[in-house]
Amino acid sequence: DGGITQSPKYLFRKEGQNVTLSCEQNLNHDAMYWYRQDPGQGLRLIYYSQIVNDFQKGDIAEGYSVSREKKESFPLTVTSAQKNPTAFYLCASSIPPGARSRNQPQHFGDGTRLSIL
Amino acid sequence: DAKTTQPTSMDCAEGRAANLPCNHSTISGNEYVYWYRQIHSQGPQYIIHGLKNNETNEMASLIITEDRKSSTLILPHATLRDTAVYYCIVRGPGGTSYGKLTFGQGTILTVHP
Repeated sequence: DGGITQSPKYLFRKEGQNVTLSCEQNLNHDAMYWYRQDPGQGLRLIYYSQIVNDFQKGDIAEGYSVSREKKESFPLTVTSAQKNPTAFYLCASSIPPGARSRNQPQHFGDGTRLSIL
Repeated sequence: DAKTTQPTSMDCAEGRAANLPCNHSTISGNEYVYWYRQIHSQGPQYIIHGLKNNETNEMASLIITEDRKSSTLILPHATLRDTAVYYCIVRGPGGTSYGKLTFGQGTILTVHP
């Protein structure tokens, strides 16, 4: 079945350490997104990519980095510069929003919960 | 994107229809209404979306009023597994042209045995 796979499900980070969250999709979607969700709150966009080898900052990109070397993969690195990284991280993908495809829904993975040791 | 208003919580008996309302009085003509739900500790699950006509799929029905200022998500035969937070989202081409979804607080639906 097609879908989005995020790993690991739980991740712990030590102070000063960078960690990378994996996101893989086999839906043949060009667009991919990373969101952060804090307890009791909605989703906030970190980074997005509409095509391979291209990505853009979202609303809260500071302390994060991404790469998009393959269509299927959009890993997120939480760097030591992110001072409050404890959150639930969600990856999504979709047909890219455009003049004729803006109504396409985003599909989400099951998330990675990151905590600080 | 238009702002949406949903009740904080709702209850429903198992096997009955769950009707979740959403107000989006500032919706513009080219904005779609989307519904997602999120079960605890999982990613949001897409349910249904529509522009102005009523829509139905294997999960739910979406009823949009003629003036498009409100909509109702209908789960025809709610089960315990439908207990989740339900989000109504309105999205169009203005502003967030990169497709960002803006999730509000949603409605906590609790299905009782």
